[in-house]
Amino acid sequence: QQPVQSPQAVILREGEDAVINCSSSKALYSVHWYRQKHGEAPVFLMILLKGGELKGHEKISASFNEKKQQSSLYLTASQLSYSGTYFCGTEKRISGYALNFGKGTSLLVTP
Amino acid sequence: NAGVMQNPRHLVRRRGQEARLRCSPMKGHSHVYWYRQLPEEGLKFMVYLQKENIIDESGMPKERFSAEFPKEGPSILRIQQVVRGDSAAYFCASSPSEVDTQYFGPGTRLTVL
Repeated sequence: QQPVQSPQAVILREGEDAVINCSSSKALYSVHWYRQKHGEAPVFLMILLKGGELKGHEKISASFNEKKQQSSLYLTASQLSYSGTYFCGTEKRISGYALNFGKGTSLLVTP
Repeated sequence: NAGVMQNPRHLVRRRGQEARLRCSPMKGHSHVYWYRQLPEEGLKFMVYLQKENIIDESGMPKERFSAEFPKEGPSILRIQQVVRGDSAAYFCASSPSEVDTQYFGPGTRLTVL
């Protein structure tokens, strides 16, 4: 089941903040966040595990609400380099740990 | 430590030909995942493999597509009798264990003429 991301797109000025949401209709075991720039590979940002463990980025934070089956990515004091498409991935947990990705949130940071 | 390697980076095939995409995981990683990305869309899971085993192929089309991860050598995604709809970027990712960070390779961009 594909997680749902919102918003679909956001435009920020440098220094502004943004929140990207990811929600699932199924129980979440972990949420993985990636950023992809056009024509490049997705780059790992953060993984949030059930129970509150968090691994990832220094300047980008995230939350994981197991009860509500959702996660949010917080981009504070955005930089031009933050531009790209952000994807959240949730574990399939059928017979392995492959990820179902949302459709992505396109973020553009302008000077 | 070299990252995930994929080759070729670009592949052009005519309809009906075969495409072979290779993925060498990061050193020490025994879990490989293949994803497909159509233009302007998200990543769609295709298949998850561990050495010599297919763990989950629920995202793989039943016909024409196959994947392997032999004891020695890279993981291979094979597409037989390609059609125009197979044109996409194919990414592989690897991880050292289950429930761990998946590191993505640079992708192979397949174009079917």
